[in-house]
Amino acid sequence: AQKITQTQPGMFVQEKEAVTLDCTYDTSDPSYGLFWYKQPSSGEMIFLIYQGSYDQQNATEGRYSLNFQKARKSANLVISASQLGDSAMYFCAMREGANTGGFKTIFGAGTRLFVKA
Amino acid sequence: NAGVTQTPKFQVLKTGQSMTLQCAQDMNHEYMSWYRQDPGMGLRLIHYSVGAGITDQGEVPNGYNVSRSTTEDFPLRLLSAAPSQTSVYFCASSKIWTTGQETQYFGPGTRLLVL
Repeated sequence: AQKITQTQPGMFVQEKEAVTLDCTYDTSDPSYGLFWYKQPSSGEMIFLIYQGSYDQQNATEGRYSLNFQKARKSANLVISASQLGDSAMYFCAMREGANTGGFKTIFGAGTRLFVKA
Repeated sequence: NAGVTQTPKFQVLKTGQSMTLQCAQDMNHEYMSWYRQDPGMGLRLIHYSVGAGITDQGEVPNGYNVSRSTTEDFPLRLLSAAPSQTSVYFCASSKIWTTGQETQYFGPGTRLLVL
């Protein structure tokens, strides 16, 4: 069965430093997709980055990168050069069967990131 | 290009009432989905659609119906509202690139309170 685990309920980081948010997953499906989202205090959901299970390279989007370690079943989000505006809730999610039209997605419980000035 | 729009932004219902949450996207995306978010939790998938005329159940479909008659619209119907359906509802659409990469777009959410 699908499972997503985010073990860090809250994280603090100093402005301009890098931070890693942990995410581990469990699936028996060889085809899956991994997602990270940001939810500011305003409540909107913002898609950040996607990694497919067959992708050879780690996904990057600006200051966001996904450290994909397939054998360890981890998909950690790295935010470089943290900014005050990065303070938010971050969710990791997984979808099985991503390459075969599957669409059922499950979310982790989230990590709240606080960026200190 | 409005992206994903949702209406209403906020709704109060009495137990047993029915209503439809509207969702529309103008990006011609095939994939659309509905999620609910309860306080302090991540999103849970209610229903999804991989194209016009095709829908399927997600993790928590009970008490909800969907239809997808056009690519643009994906309404969510609450058949008989219950207090347990008090939540924030998000609609999303996805673009699947030829590389297999995916980009998701979310609506602003609908906050529903069932008394």
